[in-house]
Amino acid sequence: DIVMTQSPDSLAVSLGERASINCKSSQSLLYTSNNKNYLAWYQQKPGQPPKLLIYWASTRQSGVPDRFRGSGSGTDFTLTISSLQAEDVAVYYCQQYYTSPPITFGQGTRLEIK
Amino acid sequence: VELEQSGGDVKKPGASVKVSCKASGFTFPSYAISWVRQAPGQGLEWMGWISGNSGNTEYAQNFQGRVTMTTDTSTDTAYLELRSLRSDDTAVYYCARGPDPYSSSSYFDYWGQGTLVTVSS
Repeated sequence: DIVMTQSPDSLAVSLGERASINCKSSQSLLYTSNNKNYLAWYQQKPGQPPKLLIYWASTRQSGVPDRFRGSGSGTDFTLTISSLQAEDVAVYYCQQYYTSPPITFGQGTRLEIK
Repeated sequence: VELEQSGGDVKKPGASVKVSCKASGFTFPSYAISWVRQAPGQGLEWMGWISGNSGNTEYAQNFQGRVTMTTDTSTDTAYLELRSLRSDDTAVYYCARGPDPYSSSSYFDYWGQGTLVTVSS
């Protein structure tokens, strides 16, 4: 199974500042035949289901604000929120879909306001 | 697009539970449904996948032998059945849509609201 490890486990950032969350996979998520990284990012607020933010490592889902950006390739990925808003407080998860079964998720990163 | 799940349930250890996920707003056979669970205060755990087209399934090793996923294409509803319940099966169970009906290797673009299953004697 591919192990997904996020860092940090929790993060406190001031409003308007940049927040970065890292995700490392135990093997490459880059499919060389199509040059795509099989990685997604989700946001989960309390009492709600996860919401897809990013797929193919850097493609923003429709309706997601452009302050959310996904980057990285191979085994190392980053979700960056360029200017933190109050509504961005949530837990963020990365997910690999390079190999299934099983699909695997990172352990989650809790983002709070400083 | 909406995935409407059945209500929460309380079960005793050793019992079975069946959770439903009714899809609307999209062509059910053109997509797949995965089931993902989340224990209280914990992360996300993928349980398995079913194609809305063929009904083919793939299950996570952790649940092999205890889980069955089915669909009813006449009502665009997916079902998750989990048997031999234990206390550590207490969790919120989510259905989630995958854009590829032929592969379980997928991200999930829409999620149900979740169904809390509590296992307690």
